[in-house]
Amino acid sequence: KAGVTQTPRYLIKTRGQQVTLSCSPISGHRSVSWYQQTPGQGLQFLFEYFSETQRNKGNFPGRFSGRQFSNSRSEMNVSTLELGDSALYLCASSLGAGTHSNQPQHFGDGTRLSIL
Amino acid sequence: SQQGEEDPQALSIQEGENATMNCSYKTIINNLQWYRQNSGRGLVHLILIRSNEREKHSGRLRVTLDTSKKSSSLLITASRAADTASYFCATDAGTGANNLFFGTGTRLTVIP
Repeated sequence: KAGVTQTPRYLIKTRGQQVTLSCSPISGHRSVSWYQQTPGQGLQFLFEYFSETQRNKGNFPGRFSGRQFSNSRSEMNVSTLELGDSALYLCASSLGAGTHSNQPQHFGDGTRLSIL
Repeated sequence: SQQGEEDPQALSIQEGENATMNCSYKTIINNLQWYRQNSGRGLVHLILIRSNEREKHSGRLRVTLDTSKKSSSLLITASRAADTASYFCATDAGTGANNLFFGTGTRLTVIP
């Protein structure tokens, strides 16, 4: 079974631009979560999508948004990029139904976003 | 913040020795998970322990959970150079929601 795939692996943008990151979950997984990882703040939850609906949201500004498609693939968008948005963005998938918090999450290798 | 803390921040041991990492958290949880991250890669799930469990084993891994102290430990026995990685504990929100709160991580180096 293929794992979680994130594209692109690396991205360089400048301040003020916007960016879209993509995540393809494991086949059959309906929940997709996004996390931001930085040396200063560590791993922080951005949002979770399940069946095309945002089910949970972390404490990030509205510049960070996402969506999920009917095939469970998800995209994350960041608008008006700031230097502090430089980070590794990780996507994780899980089955998502039932007692969802008791399910392990399967992570992709992330997109390394650098803002110049 | 619900983010947990891990101790030590960094650990260096010889191959064959045991490695113990500790995690403290702040809230009521349904479960606690441990993940490994190799440099520049994503996180790999190692083990999940539910709040009503006190100890769990998986291969060379042993996890304990003490909900009264809001703490957990991960023991890796007979360590190998390939175990070199960062290790994170992660807790759920206690509400059934799927988002995880990660600890600060322990950087383990196993010297061959």
